[in-house]
Amino acid sequence: KAGVTQTPRYLIKTRGQQVTLSCSPISGHRSVSWYQQTPGQGLQFLFEYFSETQRNKGNFPGRFSGRQFSNSRSEMNVSTLELGDSALYLCASSLARGAGTDTQYFGPGTRLTVL
Amino acid sequence: GIQVEQSPPDLILQEGANSTLRCNFSDSVNNLQWFHQNPWGQLINLFYIPSGTKQNGRLSATTVATERYSLLYISSSQTTDSGVYFCAVGRSSASKIIFGSGTRLSIRP
Repeated sequence: KAGVTQTPRYLIKTRGQQVTLSCSPISGHRSVSWYQQTPGQGLQFLFEYFSETQRNKGNFPGRFSGRQFSNSRSEMNVSTLELGDSALYLCASSLARGAGTDTQYFGPGTRLTVL
Repeated sequence: GIQVEQSPPDLILQEGANSTLRCNFSDSVNNLQWFHQNPWGQLINLFYIPSGTKQNGRLSATTVATERYSLLYISSSQTTDSGVYFCAVGRSSASKIIFGSGTRLSIRP
């Protein structure tokens, strides 16, 4: 069974631009969560989607948004990029809703650099 | 919210040595996972272990939920074991897992 895939793997953008990242979960998994990893803040939860609905959101500004499609694939969007948005963005999928109850499987990540 | 502390923050060992990594958490949890982050950034699942003991080859883990800690044991370390090890916890009522700050393990040949 294929693992979680994320595209693109690397991105370079300039301040003020917007970016869209994509995540395809493991086949059959319906929950997709997104995390941001930076050297200063570590791994922080962005949001979780289950059955095309956002179930929970972390403490991030409204510039960070996402969605989930009927095939469980998810996208996250960051608008008006800032230098501090440079990070590794990780997507995780699980069979059941809620990371509190189920094993999370992570993709390889998208490394975003904002210049 | 739940606090997760990992120790030590850094660990340097010679190939063949054994190591113990610790994860303390501040409240009861229903989910505890150990991950290894490889040099390319991917988080690799090692164990899903909210309680009890599990073993997988040279790695084993023990979680004592009543005392709010988990241990990851690595025996006969190899250079490929280098990387950052994260502990993450969650509750059944939550939609997220909370990560510790990690232990950076360096295995010297």
